[in-house]
Amino acid sequence: EAGVVQSPRYKIIEKKQPVAFWCNPISGHNTLYWYRQNLGQGPELLIRYENEEAVDDSQLPKDRFSAERLKGVDSTLKIQPAELGDSAVYLCASSLGLHNEQFFGPGTRLTVL
Amino acid sequence: GDSVTQMEGPVTLSEEAFLTINCTYTATGYPSLFWYVQYPGEGLQLLLKATKADDKGSNKGFEATYRKETTSFHLEKGSVQVSDSAVYFCALRKNTGNQFYFGTGTSLTVIP
Repeated sequence: EAGVVQSPRYKIIEKKQPVAFWCNPISGHNTLYWYRQNLGQGPELLIRYENEEAVDDSQLPKDRFSAERLKGVDSTLKIQPAELGDSAVYLCASSLGLHNEQFFGPGTRLTVL
Repeated sequence: GDSVTQMEGPVTLSEEAFLTINCTYTATGYPSLFWYVQYPGEGLQLLLKATKADDKGSNKGFEATYRKETTSFHLEKGSVQVSDSAVYFCALRKNTGNQFYFGTGTSLTVIP
């Protein structure tokens, strides 16, 4: 069974540029999470989806970050414009329901110059 | 607020040595506790979990016991292998809302 797929694996951009990350969760997993992991830190939740509905986006900086999960499967996380402090690894995870194990993708490492 | 504190690394051990990685938590109510492992170039993987006080989670020779009296969930392994080299994250999940709180991670390197 394929795991959570993320692309790209690495992205380098200049500040003020836009960037987008894509996530394909495990087939059948209705719950999808986006996390940000700063260097030397643990992951911090940005947004959680139940199917296509964002049910917890309290930690998402809405002035520059946006996310969508059309049709309740794949998801895209966008930053526009990117700032230097956005350099981090962006992790996607999925689970079969709210209280089941989360499976993580390998992450996208973003470097903003 | 809710949080997890784990021992700072990096930790370097010789093969077959005993491993302890300390983790303590602060939370209201009765959270579930987890250890995740991240191998180089891979995503986080669930290593073990415990959902109530005095529960012991175990997997691949690793163990951790949920100690409510000391608010701890220390990870242990009796004999580490080179293949255990990874970053280990302690985490808690509130049982209302599924919010996860991760520790900062502890890097382990096992040398032959």
